[in-house]
Amino acid sequence: GNSVTQMEGPVTLSEEAFLTINCTYTATGYPSLFWYVQYPGEGLQLLLKATKADDKGSNKGFEATYRKETTSFHLEKGSVQVSDSAVYFCALSVWGSNYKLTFGKGTLLTVNP
Amino acid sequence: DTEVTQTPKHLVMGMTNKKSLKCEQHMGHRAMYWYKQKAKKPPELMFVYSYEKLSINESVPSRFSPECPNSSLLNLHLHALQPEDSALYLCASSQPTRGGTGELFFGEGSRLTVL
Repeated sequence: GNSVTQMEGPVTLSEEAFLTINCTYTATGYPSLFWYVQYPGEGLQLLLKATKADDKGSNKGFEATYRKETTSFHLEKGSVQVSDSAVYFCALSVWGSNYKLTFGKGTLLTVNP
Repeated sequence: DTEVTQTPKHLVMGMTNKKSLKCEQHMGHRAMYWYKQKAKKPPELMFVYSYEKLSINESVPSRFSPECPNSSLLNLHLHALQPEDSALYLCASSQPTRGGTGELFFGEGSRLTVL
């Protein structure tokens, strides 16, 4: 089946620190990969996505590269801000999966001033 | 601003009540979803409607009854719920693609408390 494994949180960083949240996946087909972010008290927002190998998704200073050889899609940001404090979910969707999006367990990020 | 609107934002109900959650999108998406999210957990898929027809029911108890009156609206009717059904209920929509679900757009959720 399909599964997503992301690093356990919580992750606590100081403002301007470098962020990496690891995400690896297994998929029965060729997946599209996503990072969603959930700010406190809100729904999920798509942060970035990549649909084929070696694609790099980027948004709001966050980046992630689709690595087929390592089945990974790690999220990075060079300098985090307090406003980046949220829960981050890695997710995948497989062609022909009939609308099912497989989520990782989520990583809580707290950025302190 | 989210383009998927959910009402109410908060709902408290007793175990014998009947209530409904509503969701609306005007992006022309033809797939709409209900997810349930417990605290500190990822969303769990409940139902999917594709082109206004129920496409997926993830073995959800019958006390949850979805309805899709048209391509823009999605309801979740609630009846005889249990306290363990207390959660954040998220609606989402997407434009189906051959590559999978496509990007999902989520609403801000309806936080349900069952007493």
